[in-house]
Amino acid sequence: GEDVEQSLFLSVREGDSSVINCTYTDSSSTYLYWYKQEPGAGLQLLTYIFSNMDMKQDQRLTVLLNKKDKHLSLRIADTQTGDSAIYFCALDGSSNTGKLIFGQGTTLQVKP
Amino acid sequence: DVKVTQSSRYLVKRTGEKVFLECVQDMDHENMFWYRQDPGLGLRLIYFSYDVKMKEKGDIPEGYSVSREKKERFSLILESASTNQTSMYLCASSRTPQNTEAFFGQGTRLTVV
Repeated sequence: GEDVEQSLFLSVREGDSSVINCTYTDSSSTYLYWYKQEPGAGLQLLTYIFSNMDMKQDQRLTVLLNKKDKHLSLRIADTQTGDSAIYFCALDGSSNTGKLIFGQGTTLQVKP
Repeated sequence: DVKVTQSSRYLVKRTGEKVFLECVQDMDHENMFWYRQDPGLGLRLIYFSYDVKMKEKGDIPEGYSVSREKKERFSLILESASTNQTSMYLCASSRTPQNTEAFFGQGTRLTVV
């Protein structure tokens, strides 16, 4: 089945850019998502990219999709302490059941 | 706004108890999901449902069952709770199997002692 991998931890200084990476094995997904989870809370959708796009920009967020390398990234510009959270990439895969397959989550720590 | 509500934020149960986790969504979504979240393992799918009274096993269904008697409500049942079921449980819903954007509840942190 689909495998989605993320590194577990990233630490940056406030004001720097953060880049969170995600690799996957199945290239048949239609939508690829980034979710954010703040401490003690559920997941909230940050942004998504359609599989026929290479890039999507949404204010401080930039999503890059490299289908050849099966690599998805989320760049956060001017990272703030409020961006400290766990970030999950998720793909809808090939099953056509509506299931999402999640990576392990990357904990972003933003130091003042 | 879509709202997915889980009945409890925190639960403490004893080993061997039968545990019910309730989830309600208010946007007439067809799909509903139960995930378990453990550090370093991400979200793992326990069960999902794409229609009333329909259910499918996810990746880790052992020790769990589900019930969907009404479209808006999806319940997760731990038949006999064990300490290795201590975890964060997340409910989610999405509009249709083709519209996969998932909306999440706030999570239930279950501790089994």
